[in-house]
Amino acid sequence: QSVLTQPPSVSGAPGQRVTISCTGSSSSIGAGYDVNWYQQFPGTAPKLLIYGNNNRPSGVPDRFSASKSGTSASLAITGLQAEDEADYYCQSYDSSLSARVFGGGTKLTVL
Amino acid sequence: QVQLQESGLGLVKPSETLSLTCTVSGVSVSSGSYYWSWIRQPPGKGLEFIGYIYYSGSTQYNPSLKSRVTISLDTSKNQFSLKLSSVTAADTAVYSCARGVVGGSYFDYWGQGTLVSVSS
Repeated sequence: QSVLTQPPSVSGAPGQRVTISCTGSSSSIGAGYDVNWYQQFPGTAPKLLIYGNNNRPSGVPDRFSASKSGTSASLAITGLQAEDEADYYCQSYDSSLSARVFGGGTKLTVL
Repeated sequence: QVQLQESGLGLVKPSETLSLTCTVSGVSVSSGSYYWSWIRQPPGKGLEFIGYIYYSGSTQYNPSLKSRVTISLDTSKNQFSLKLSSVTAADTAVYSCARGVVGGSYFDYWGQGTLVSVSS
């Protein structure tokens, strides 16, 4: 069981907006630690999508954004495209575990 | 261009030690700006942080694996390595090396990953 909780799956039609939640605790997200997000296609390595809560690396479309509040964070994808179909993982730090921690991942299906 | 590439045996017997090496190109593992990490993903499951090493040799390990993990650095070869002892079938996973950025908690470059199966 992952330290950060994500919904197993979300779906949306092309052009729609979807959000993926990531729930932590008072020793992780709630303690103010940054949340990062990764995108992973089958058989490939994860790719950094968002870092430091809401920063996009060069080359990541601005259709991807993220936010954080309290013990939770969320990733939003607007203007959904077929190419966005992938697994998405949140990641942070947990002081009670003294370790970087990941969510269990969310599979995004574009209908 | 930064690249990381894992190498090592893909099959390990139960109770033995898993050994993997990550060869880094495009950046020096001696840089004080990064830390060098191992992350694994069991088949069909999520990601698990294993640990990292800093250029100084200091390490941090996932407490759940700490008693069995050793990460080391070879600056002469620009590589870092993972050893996981007393493996069981539960350690079967795709093992990836990744670069972490000092001052942040994220991993910005990843290797493609290598599947290690634990079986007799």
